[in-house]
Parts: sequence; structure tokens; C-alpha cells
Amino acid sequence: QQPVQSPQAVILREGEDAVINCSSSKALYSVHWYRQKHGEAPVFLMILLKGGEQKGHEKISASFNEKKQQSSLYLTASQLSYSGTYFCGTDTGTASKLTFGTGTRLQVTL
Amino acid sequence: SQTIHQWPATLVQPVGSPLSLECTVEGTSNPNLYWYRQAAGRGLQLLFYSVGIGQISSEVPQNLSASRPQDRQFILSSKKLLLSDSGFYLCAWGRGNEQFFGPGTRLTVL
Repeated sequence: QQPVQSPQAVILREGEDAVINCSSSKALYSVHWYRQKHGEAPVFLMILLKGGEQKGHEKISASFNEKKQQSSLYLTASQLSYSGTYFCGTDTGTASKLTFGTGTRLQVTL
Repeated sequence: SQTIHQWPATLVQPVGSPLSLECTVEGTSNPNLYWYRQAAGRGLQLLFYSVGIGQISSEVPQNLSASRPQDRQFILSSKKLLLSDSGFYLCAWGRGNEQFFGPGTRLTVL
């Protein structure tokens, strides 16, 4: 079953923060985050493997609450380059197959 | 370093025509390989995955098939395209728990 992402879309001014959530109805082995620019392939951001794990990538970080089967992506002091659609991919442990959420469209404006 | 290639980049085909999309990976051996489809404005749907030569698992019953004739080659095919086959087709390779996407093929069926 497809993980649910929220919000569906968000508009930020440059420098503002955002949180994107990803919830699954199944127990998760890992959560993967990708960003996709319009017309391009998704780009890998980070993977979270353990419950409670947090990772950071420049001003983008994420957490994974294994118990709640949720992950959140935190974008701090957003830049114009952060615009795009963010997808979470959840892995229940079968051949590293990912089930992707419907995406969150993020637009950063001046 | 690893690279993944897909071709063609874009394709316009009439309904009922055959299809062959190719994906090759360089710089790694025995990767997991995946085919995804993304309809316009939608999320990523896993179509097929392969853990080795000749080993293909289908995720969604459909008009498409996949083959893996060589370790780093993954082919998506159809004998007769339908209008609903239009979309952005992405090949991905996996190393451990991570997946990396190729540049994609944009297919329009008319």
C-alpha cells in the first residue's frame, strides 16, 4: 500500500522552513527520500535505516520513527534550488523494493 | 563511479506498435535493477524488478514485459502499446538499500 505524504503541496519564501511527512500502514525496514525537478529523474537525497535515525544533508535532514511507521523530511532556510517534488519511498524488506508516496510539491519563491 | 543509461530519451509511438526501452548500468556488478513508470503529475509505480540475469518479478499485471539478458542490461518491452502506456519510464539500479535512477524515457502513445 502506498505511503501517504503530507502536505500535498507547499509554497515557501526563500529562507523559510518546511516539514514533509510520510506515513505507512506497514512496518518499515527503511525510508528513502528523493527530490524530482520537473521533467527530470528523481535524485536520491538520503536513506534512513533504523528506528529513530536522523540524517542530515546540508540544510536538509530527516527522521524515522519506526514505531509510528513515519518519516519526516526537514528543509531549513530553504533555497530556490529546493523547489521540486519530494517523494518518500518505503521499503518493507523485500528485495529492496520501494513503494513511493504520491509526492509533495515544494515551491520556493523570492 | 556508477552510471546508468537509458534510451531513447523520448519516444512517440502509435497505438498497437511494439516497444523496446533499454537500460544499462556501468561501474557495478550484479545490481538489482528496476523499471518504474510515472504518469503525468503522479508518483512512481514499480513495474518490474530483477535481482539477477533472467530473474524478473512483475509487480503489476499489464501490457508490458521485462528481460535481463546481461548482468547490467534491463529491457522493457511491449508487443502492442496502449494509450495508457504513455508516461515517464525510469530505470533504477540498487546497491544494498539504495536506489539510483537513470535519466528516464518519456513515452507518448498516440
